[in-house]
Amino acid sequence: DTEVTQTPKHLVMGMTNKKSLKCEQHMGHRAMYWYKQKAKKPPELMFVYSYEKLSINESVPSRFSPECPNSSLLNLHLHALQPEDSALYLCASSQDLRGGTDTQYFGPGTRLTVL
Amino acid sequence: DAKTTQPPSMDCAEGRAANLPCNHSTISGNEYVYWYRQIHSQGPQYIIHGLKNNETNEMASLIITEDRKSSTLILPHATLRDTAVYYCIVCPGGTSYGKLTFGQGTILTVHP
Repeated sequence: DTEVTQTPKHLVMGMTNKKSLKCEQHMGHRAMYWYKQKAKKPPELMFVYSYEKLSINESVPSRFSPECPNSSLLNLHLHALQPEDSALYLCASSQDLRGGTDTQYFGPGTRLTVL
Repeated sequence: DAKTTQPPSMDCAEGRAANLPCNHSTISGNEYVYWYRQIHSQGPQYIIHGLKNNETNEMASLIITEDRKSSTLILPHATLRDTAVYYCIVCPGGTSYGKLTFGQGTILTVHP
Protein backbone atom coordinates (compact mmCIF):
# COMPACT_ATOMS: atom_id res chain seq x y z
CA ASP A 1 0.00 0.00 0.00
CA THR A 2 1.52 3.31 -1.07
CA GLU A 3 -1.37 5.58 -0.17
CA VAL A 4 -1.06 9.11 1.09
CA THR A 5 -4.37 10.80 1.86
CA GLN A 6 -5.04 14.52 1.93
CA THR A 7 -8.03 16.47 3.19
CA PRO A 8 -9.84 18.48 2.11
CA LYS A 9 -9.73 17.95 -1.64
CA HIS A 10 -10.79 21.53 -2.28
CA LEU A 11 -10.63 24.59 -0.06
CA VAL A 12 -11.77 28.15 -0.66
CA MET A 13 -10.73 30.73 1.93
CA GLY A 14 -10.64 34.46 2.39
CA MET A 15 -7.48 36.37 3.10
CA THR A 16 -8.40 36.79 6.78
CA ASN A 17 -9.29 33.15 7.38
CA LYS A 18 -7.31 30.50 9.21
CA LYS A 19 -7.48 27.00 7.80
CA SER A 20 -5.48 23.79 7.90
CA LEU A 21 -4.57 21.12 5.37
CA LYS A 22 -4.15 17.58 6.57
CA CYS A 23 -2.03 14.72 5.26
CA GLU A 24 -1.90 11.16 6.52
CA GLN A 25 0.05 8.02 5.69
CA HIS A 26 0.12 4.58 7.29
CA MET A 27 3.13 3.14 5.51
CA GLY A 28 5.47 3.61 8.46
CA HIS A 29 7.31 6.34 6.60
CA ARG A 30 9.40 8.68 8.73
CA ALA A 31 9.80 11.55 6.25
CA MET A 32 6.96 13.77 5.10
CA TYR A 33 6.90 16.67 2.67
CA TRP A 34 4.79 19.62 1.54
CA TYR A 35 4.96 20.82 -2.05
CA LYS A 36 3.20 23.70 -3.78
CA GLN A 37 2.19 23.54 -7.43
CA LYS A 38 0.94 26.55 -9.34
CA ALA A 39 -1.07 26.04 -12.50
CA LYS A 40 0.97 24.67 -15.41
CA LYS A 41 4.14 24.62 -13.31
CA PRO A 42 6.04 21.73 -11.70
CA PRO A 43 5.74 21.04 -7.95
CA GLU A 44 8.06 23.02 -5.68
CA LEU A 45 9.28 21.78 -2.33
CA MET A 46 8.15 23.77 0.72
CA PHE A 47 8.96 21.75 3.83
CA VAL A 48 10.51 18.43 4.83
CA TYR A 49 9.97 16.65 8.13
CA SER A 50 12.27 13.86 9.17
CA TYR A 51 11.36 11.81 12.23
CA GLU A 52 8.78 14.45 13.16
CA LYS A 53 11.31 17.27 13.15
CA LEU A 54 11.42 20.03 10.56
CA SER A 55 14.58 19.48 8.53
CA ILE A 56 14.04 21.70 5.50
CA ASN A 57 12.16 24.98 5.10
CA GLU A 58 12.60 26.31 1.57
CA SER A 59 12.26 29.95 2.67
CA VAL A 60 8.50 29.67 2.85
CA PRO A 61 6.60 32.74 4.18
CA SER A 62 5.46 32.48 7.79
CA ARG A 63 1.80 32.56 6.78
CA PHE A 64 2.37 28.85 6.05
CA SER A 65 3.03 26.92 9.26
CA PRO A 66 3.73 23.19 9.10
CA GLU A 67 3.18 20.78 11.94
CA CYS A 68 3.97 17.09 12.34
CA PRO A 69 2.11 15.85 15.45
CA ASN A 70 3.18 12.24 14.90
CA SER A 71 4.88 10.08 12.31
CA SER A 72 1.66 9.47 10.38
CA LEU A 73 0.26 12.98 10.26
CA LEU A 74 1.35 16.22 8.65
CA ASN A 75 -0.58 19.47 8.82
CA LEU A 76 -0.16 22.78 7.03
CA HIS A 77 -1.72 25.70 8.88
CA LEU A 78 -2.70 28.65 6.73
CA HIS A 79 -3.23 32.21 7.92
CA ALA A 80 -3.54 35.55 6.14
CA LEU A 81 -2.91 34.07 2.73
CA GLN A 82 -2.81 36.06 -0.47
CA PRO A 83 -4.62 35.29 -3.74
CA GLU A 84 -1.26 34.33 -5.28
CA ASP A 85 -1.07 31.46 -2.78
CA SER A 86 -3.85 29.73 -4.69
CA ALA A 87 -2.36 26.45 -5.86
CA LEU A 88 -2.42 22.67 -5.54
CA TYR A 89 -0.78 21.66 -2.26
CA LEU A 90 0.78 18.23 -2.37
CA CYS A 91 1.89 16.05 0.49
CA ALA A 92 4.39 13.22 0.08
CA SER A 93 6.05 10.68 2.32
CA SER A 94 9.10 8.45 2.12
CA GLN A 95 10.62 5.70 4.16
CA ASP A 96 13.92 7.10 5.35
CA LEU A 97 16.13 10.00 4.40
CA ARG A 98 19.28 8.49 5.81
CA GLY A 99 21.31 6.69 3.24
CA GLY A 100 20.58 4.93 -0.01
CA THR A 101 17.68 6.11 -2.07
CA ASP A 102 14.37 7.29 -0.81
CA THR A 103 11.27 7.16 -3.00
CA GLN A 104 8.60 9.72 -2.29
CA TYR A 105 4.93 8.84 -2.64
CA PHE A 106 2.47 11.65 -3.21
CA GLY A 107 -1.08 12.27 -2.15
CA PRO A 108 -3.77 13.60 -4.50
CA GLY A 109 -3.37 17.17 -3.29
CA THR A 110 -5.60 19.91 -1.92
CA ARG A 111 -6.75 22.53 -4.41
CA LEU A 112 -6.65 25.85 -2.54
CA THR A 113 -8.31 29.02 -3.75
CA VAL A 114 -7.71 32.26 -1.84
CA LEU A 115 -10.24 35.00 -2.49
CA ASP B 1 17.60 24.52 -10.74
CA ALA B 2 16.53 21.27 -12.37
CA LYS B 3 19.44 19.17 -13.56
CA THR B 4 17.58 17.51 -16.39
CA THR B 5 16.47 18.41 -19.91
CA GLN B 6 13.38 16.88 -21.46
CA PRO B 7 11.45 17.61 -24.66
CA PRO B 8 8.39 19.71 -23.81
CA SER B 9 5.96 17.40 -25.58
CA MET B 10 5.67 14.06 -27.36
CA ASP B 11 2.94 12.10 -29.08
CA CYS B 12 2.42 8.36 -29.16
CA ALA B 13 -0.13 6.08 -30.77
CA GLU B 14 -2.11 3.84 -28.48
CA GLY B 15 -0.59 0.36 -28.24
CA ARG B 16 2.83 1.50 -29.36
CA ALA B 17 5.88 1.97 -27.18
CA ALA B 18 6.47 5.44 -25.80
CA ASN B 19 10.13 6.35 -25.43
CA LEU B 20 10.73 9.44 -23.33
CA PRO B 21 14.28 10.82 -23.33
CA CYS B 22 16.02 12.73 -20.58
CA ASN B 23 19.38 14.42 -20.56
CA HIS B 24 21.27 14.69 -17.26
CA SER B 25 24.80 15.40 -18.39
CA THR B 26 25.93 16.83 -15.03
CA ILE B 27 24.79 13.85 -12.95
CA SER B 28 27.22 12.85 -10.21
CA GLY B 29 28.13 9.43 -8.93
CA ASN B 30 25.66 9.14 -6.08
CA GLU B 31 22.68 10.63 -7.88
CA TYR B 32 19.74 8.51 -8.93
CA VAL B 33 17.48 9.03 -11.92
CA TYR B 34 13.82 9.06 -10.94
CA TRP B 35 10.75 9.19 -13.13
CA TYR B 36 7.38 10.42 -11.97
CA ARG B 37 4.26 11.24 -13.92
CA GLN B 38 1.36 13.52 -13.16
CA ILE B 39 -2.02 13.00 -14.68
CA HIS B 40 -4.06 16.18 -14.88
CA SER B 41 -4.85 17.64 -11.43
CA GLN B 42 -3.62 14.56 -9.56
CA GLY B 43 -0.55 14.05 -7.40
CA PRO B 44 2.67 12.87 -9.03
CA GLN B 45 2.92 9.10 -9.35
CA TYR B 46 6.21 7.29 -8.89
CA ILE B 47 7.16 5.19 -11.91
CA ILE B 48 10.71 3.90 -11.60
CA HIS B 49 14.23 4.84 -10.60
CA GLY B 50 17.78 3.67 -11.23
CA LEU B 51 21.42 4.40 -10.52
CA LYS B 52 23.51 2.67 -13.20
CA ASN B 53 21.76 -0.43 -14.42
CA ASN B 54 18.67 -0.67 -16.53
CA GLU B 55 15.53 -1.25 -14.50
CA THR B 56 12.12 -2.72 -15.27
CA ASN B 57 8.94 -2.91 -13.27
CA GLU B 58 5.28 -3.48 -14.02
CA MET B 59 4.84 0.06 -15.28
CA ALA B 60 7.91 0.81 -17.36
CA SER B 61 11.55 0.23 -18.21
CA LEU B 62 14.39 2.63 -17.56
CA ILE B 63 17.43 2.58 -19.81
CA ILE B 64 20.45 4.52 -18.53
CA THR B 65 23.40 5.08 -20.83
CA GLU B 66 26.77 3.76 -19.78
CA ASP B 67 28.13 7.24 -19.09
CA ARG B 68 24.90 8.00 -17.16
CA LYS B 69 24.47 11.30 -18.97
CA SER B 70 21.09 10.39 -20.38
CA SER B 71 18.25 7.97 -19.91
CA THR B 72 15.06 6.81 -21.59
CA LEU B 73 11.80 5.83 -19.99
CA ILE B 74 9.94 3.22 -22.01
CA LEU B 75 6.22 2.56 -21.67
CA PRO B 76 5.98 -0.64 -23.69
CA HIS B 77 2.33 -0.48 -24.74
CA ALA B 78 0.97 3.02 -24.22
CA THR B 79 -2.71 3.48 -23.44
CA LEU B 80 -4.86 6.60 -23.39
CA ARG B 81 -4.53 6.60 -19.59
CA ASP B 82 -0.78 7.14 -19.94
CA THR B 83 -1.41 10.69 -21.16
CA ALA B 84 0.34 12.79 -18.51
CA VAL B 85 3.30 15.02 -17.72
CA TYR B 86 6.40 12.88 -17.23
CA TYR B 87 9.14 14.20 -14.99
CA CYS B 88 12.73 12.99 -15.06
CA ILE B 89 14.47 13.96 -11.82
CA VAL B 90 18.02 13.55 -10.65
CA CYS B 91 17.95 12.94 -6.93
CA PRO B 92 20.91 12.59 -4.61
CA GLY B 93 21.12 9.45 -2.57
CA GLY B 94 22.86 9.12 0.76
CA THR B 95 22.32 11.87 3.27
CA SER B 96 21.30 14.63 0.85
CA TYR B 97 17.81 14.87 2.08
CA GLY B 98 14.81 14.29 -0.05
CA LYS B 99 15.04 17.29 -2.36
CA LEU B 100 13.17 16.35 -5.46
CA THR B 101 13.61 19.21 -7.90
CA PHE B 102 11.03 18.93 -10.66
CA GLY B 103 11.80 20.35 -14.09
CA GLN B 104 9.19 21.25 -16.67
CA GLY B 105 8.71 17.63 -17.76
CA THR B 106 7.42 16.15 -21.01
CA ILE B 107 3.73 16.26 -21.84
CA LEU B 108 3.00 12.85 -23.36
CA THR B 109 -0.19 12.62 -25.37
CA VAL B 110 -1.35 9.14 -26.33
CA HIS B 111 -3.86 9.20 -29.15
CA PRO B 112 -6.12 6.49 -30.58
